Amino acid sequence: GDSVTQMEGPVTLSEEAFLTINCTYTATGYPSLFWYVQYPGEGLQLLLKATKADDKGSNKGFEATYRKETTSFHLEKGSVQVSDSAVYFCALSSWEYGNKLVFGAGTILRVKS
Amino acid sequence: GAGVSQTPSNKVTEKGKYVELRCDPISGHTALYWYRQSLGQGPEFLIYFQGTGAADDSGLPNDRFFAVRPEGSVSTLKIQRTERGDSAVYLCASSSKRGSERENTEAFFGQGTRLTVV
Repeated sequence: GDSVTQMEGPVTLSEEAFLTINCTYTATGYPSLFWYVQYPGEGLQLLLKATKADDKGSNKGFEATYRKETTSFHLEKGSVQVSDSAVYFCALSSWEYGNKLVFGAGTILRVKS
Repeated sequence: GAGVSQTPSNKVTEKGKYVELRCDPISGHTALYWYRQSLGQGPEFLIYFQGTGAADDSGLPNDRFFAVRPEGSVSTLKIQRTERGDSAVYLCASSSKRGSERENTEAFFGQGTRLTVV
């Protein structure tokens, strides 16, 4: 079945450092790809998405590009802030399967001031 | 309401007891999903409703788990004879996806119910 693999954490960075969180996927069809974020004490929120190959999703300074050739959707940010500390989940879904989401295990990001 | 509401936010129950978890989706959303998130893991799909019917229940782990959505709005996840391994955060999400739509529609998540079986 479909699956998502993302880099293990925790990832600890200093403020203004460059962030990359790797995500690769396995899927039989042509899924949409997502990054969700879970801030401390809050629910899951959609951070960004891409629905087809070579699409770039972006939001709040975060970016990720749908790479079909490498089956990847790596999350990047040029300069992280303390407020970015959260758990980040990579996920995929396909309309053929009712848009149910398949999540990675999550990566904890800690940003120090 | 403005978002997806789940009650209770926390539930502690004894092994062997029956529990019900409630989800109130965003008004007008026809699609509703239940997920389970164990500690240190990503959410895992349990069941998907389109309207009143369960369109996909392939993620329910066994027959102790059951979910209903009788009027196409509020949903209840029911767990019989709870076990310690059922301890997790149960998440509900809703979206405006219609069954016939060939596109991905954003799902909005509730805060979850933390279930602890002792």
